[in-house]
Amino acid sequence: DAGVIQSPRHEVTEMGQEVTLRCKPISGHNSLFWYRQTMMRGLELLIYFNNNVPIDDSGMPEDRFSAKMPNASFSTLKIQPSEPRDSAVYFCASSFSGSHQETQYFGPGTRLLVL
Amino acid sequence: DQQVKQNSPSLSVQEGRISILNCDYTNSMFDYFLWYKKYPAEGPTFLISISSIKDKNEDGRFTVFLNKSAKHLSLHIVPSQPGDSAVYFCAATITGTASKLTFGTGTRLQVTL
Repeated sequence: DAGVIQSPRHEVTEMGQEVTLRCKPISGHNSLFWYRQTMMRGLELLIYFNNNVPIDDSGMPEDRFSAKMPNASFSTLKIQPSEPRDSAVYFCASSFSGSHQETQYFGPGTRLLVL
Repeated sequence: DQQVKQNSPSLSVQEGRISILNCDYTNSMFDYFLWYKKYPAEGPTFLISISSIKDKNEDGRFTVFLNKSAKHLSLHIVPSQPGDSAVYFCAATITGTASKLTFGTGTRLQVTL
């Protein structure tokens, strides 16, 4: 199994530009999570999907952030327009929800720098 | 409002000694707790977990202790090895919430020779 795949691994963009982060979860997993990691706040949950349906987006910072999961094998996190304070590492994780031990498996992350 | 707290941002331990990483939580509804380990430029990886019906879970060199009355858990690594140097995140969840985890801010462990 290839694990959770994220692209791009690194993104440098200018303030005001649109940024799209991509994630392919582990095959068979039915929950998908987007996190943001910063020094000050650690790992913050932005949004999570269960069976492709957004369940909780209360962690999304503001309307500039949006996430979609059009099918079980693909999700995107979009920031439009991007701002310097969005600079962080963004992680995608997936799990099989339904077992008692609901372990999440993380991708390698996308390091975003907004200039 | 940080529901899961790791108050020590860093810890340095000599190789062969015990490493103790601490975590406190405020939400009494949490009933399942996990520790993740993260190396630079990689995503966090699952290390060990414990259910609230237990007070201890052991896996090789790693043991997690849970004190529900104090809302405190700790991860013990014995003996510590240089390869254990990483950032350790504590996480908590409520069973049945589709795996939603609340993470602490992490503790960076440095195991020295």
